[in-house]
Amino acid sequence: AQSVTQLGSHVSVSEGALVLLRCNYSSSVPPYLFWYVQYPNQGLQLLLKYTTGATLVKGINGFEAEFKKSETSFHLTKPSAHMSDAAEYFCAVSGGTSYGKLTFGQGTILTVHP
Amino acid sequence: ETGVTQTPRHLVMGMTNKKSLKCEQHLGHNAMYWYKQSAKKPLELMFVYNFKEQTENNSVPSRFSPECPNSSHLFLHLHTLQPEDSALYLCASSQGAVGRVSGANVLTFGAGSRLTVL
Repeated sequence: AQSVTQLGSHVSVSEGALVLLRCNYSSSVPPYLFWYVQYPNQGLQLLLKYTTGATLVKGINGFEAEFKKSETSFHLTKPSAHMSDAAEYFCAVSGGTSYGKLTFGQGTILTVHP
Repeated sequence: ETGVTQTPRHLVMGMTNKKSLKCEQHLGHNAMYWYKQSAKKPLELMFVYNFKEQTENNSVPSRFSPECPNSSHLFLHLHTLQPEDSALYLCASSQGAVGRVSGANVLTFGAGSRLTVL
């Protein structure tokens, strides 16, 4: 079985500030890890993914995430927040016989203040 | 059209109605999914189809009936729903077949169908 915990259902930052969204996972097999973003009235859009190889993964819109096996974490960061980053962000995991079937965290709503 | 298209975008129905949600993907994918997104709850996987065959039913009540006539289309038939079934229903597709180790298992989501059950 797999699970994802996103710490903080709401995160608020100022424009230009660092964005840090936390994700911890549980998996008995090597995981595939994903971050998706959902803008209002839209579906989920892939930001980035980790499968194997380099543990620092770069995604779209300046986001990146680092896979830390020892900490079972996959935190999402962006050096400088933009107003357009305001959205809900979901961390997800798949693995083993569940490859392709994502288990999602509860989501983190990011608010960006001017 | 490209991507994953869901219709209708909004649906209001009574508890005795029968309605259907439609999903169409133009990506050449061979796996399709229904997810339910409720307020304050994580996204819940409902059904998975792999090459038109249902491979996952995540203990979904029988009032939800999926249909996958071909690898490009997925339906969710709704019958005698309850108010607690009100949610955003998201369709997704992926290139990799479920159960195979593949880095191609990235899901592409549609915009969702917002369902309200009165």
